[in-house]
Amino acid sequence: DQQVKQNSPSLSVQEGRISILNCDYTNSMFDYFLWYKKYPAEGPTFLISISSIKDKNEDGRFTVFLNKSAKHLSLHIVPSQPGDSAVYFCAASAGLYNNNDMRFGAGTRLTVKP
Amino acid sequence: SQTIHQWPATLVQPVGSPLSLECTVEGTSNPNLYWYRQAAGRGLQLLFYSVGIGQISSEVPQNLSASRPQDRQFILSSKKLLLSDSGFYLCAWRGWTGRSSGANVLTFGAGSRLTVL
Repeated sequence: DQQVKQNSPSLSVQEGRISILNCDYTNSMFDYFLWYKKYPAEGPTFLISISSIKDKNEDGRFTVFLNKSAKHLSLHIVPSQPGDSAVYFCAASAGLYNNNDMRFGAGTRLTVKP
Repeated sequence: SQTIHQWPATLVQPVGSPLSLECTVEGTSNPNLYWYRQAAGRGLQLLFYSVGIGQISSEVPQNLSASRPQDRQFILSSKKLLLSDSGFYLCAWRGWTGRSSGANVLTFGAGSRLTVL
C-alpha cells in the first residue's frame, strides 16, 4: 500500500531557481517526516527532517514545510545548484524513535540545469 | 565515526540460484539493522529489520530471508531466486545524526544491485 506518495516522478529547474518537491501521506499516525537524497549507484543520504509539532524546518538552502491538515509536505531548495541533481525520497514514520515502520515514497528525480 | 559496508555491489544471478548479500556496521554497538529493496520505478520497501543478534522481523512474505549472526552483521539470503527479486538492495542502521535538523534517522549503505536472469 502506498502510504507515502510522490506524484511527480521528475522535476527540472534552472540553476539559481527554487526547486519544490512534494509529498503526500495517508496515514494520520505518521508524525515524523524525512527527506533523503540519492545519487545513482549509492545509498540514500539523510537530508532534513521535521516532526509534526512543527510546520517548518530549515537547514541552509533546504526547507521542509508540513501541512498536517492536508497530509502534505514539501521540500524547497533555494537556490538550486547542479550538484542537487539526484533522486529525492520522502519518508514518514509513526514516532520519532520508531523507524521500524518507516515508509518511503517512490522518489522524484530532480535535474538542475546550469 | 560509524560506517556501513555492503557487498557485493553488483550481482547477476540465474533464476533458481541462491543469494547471499552481506552488510556490516562499524563504529557502533547493538544497532537496529534494516534491509530495504528498491524495485524499478518504486519506492524503498522495507524487507526485514533486526533489533539484536538472532532477532529478525519480516515485513513482507517472500522467498527471501535474513539472519543476524553477529551484533554488527546482517545477511540477506535466498535459496532460489525469482525474476521478481531483481532490484537494488539497501542495508541501513538506525542512529542519531547529531545534527539539530535530523535526529533519529536511517543511514544507508551503498547498495547491492541484483539482476536475476
